[in-house]
Amino acid sequence: DIVMTQSPSSLAVSAGETVTINCKSSQSLLYSGNQKNYLAWYQQKPGQSPKLLIYWASTRQSGVPDRFIGSGSGTDFTLTISSVQAEDLAIYYCQQYYDTPYTFGAGTKLELK
Amino acid sequence: EVQLVETGGSLVQPGKSLKLTCATSGFTFSNAWMHWVRQSPEKQLEWVAQIKAKSNNYATYYAESVKGRFTISRDDSKSSVYLQMNSLKEEDTAIYYCCYYRFAYWGQGTLVTVSS
Repeated sequence: DIVMTQSPSSLAVSAGETVTINCKSSQSLLYSGNQKNYLAWYQQKPGQSPKLLIYWASTRQSGVPDRFIGSGSGTDFTLTISSVQAEDLAIYYCQQYYDTPYTFGAGTKLELK
Repeated sequence: EVQLVETGGSLVQPGKSLKLTCATSGFTFSNAWMHWVRQSPEKQLEWVAQIKAKSNNYATYYAESVKGRFTISRDDSKSSVYLQMNSLKEEDTAIYYCCYYRFAYWGQGTLVTVSS
């Protein structure tokens, strides 16, 4: 199974700060056939289902604000949230969909400082 | 508008069975690859199972933790996907979500609690 390691597990931020969440996979998620990285990022707020933010490592889902930026390739990926807003306080997960079982990171909880 | 509505969750004793249903609308279900994902009380997300479309011979895939106990199935005439869960264990306690289209769409989830 592909193991997804996320860091940090929690992050205390002030509104307006830029934050970075890291995700590392135990094997490459880059498929040579189409040069796409099979990596997604999700946001989950309390009492809600996870919401897809980013897919193919860097493509924003429709309606997601452009302050959410996904980057990386191969085994190392990053979610950057620029100018954090109060509404961004949530748990963020990375997930690989390169191969079954489709595995998730343990999550990063974004809290208010 | 895409809608996924899970039902069937409840409190059940270890060793018992339960069947979850995900009723869908707003997209061409017969072409869709569907998933079940669960979230433990500790908030860890775990992919559970996938079923592909008729054109892919309804191929199914399972997490090792549920293989042999859970069965995913679908009824294209009802635009619904199911999860039959047998020999339930306490560690199966979770919110169960159905998902569609590269996990872009999720239902609201249904809670399964396995406890004596």
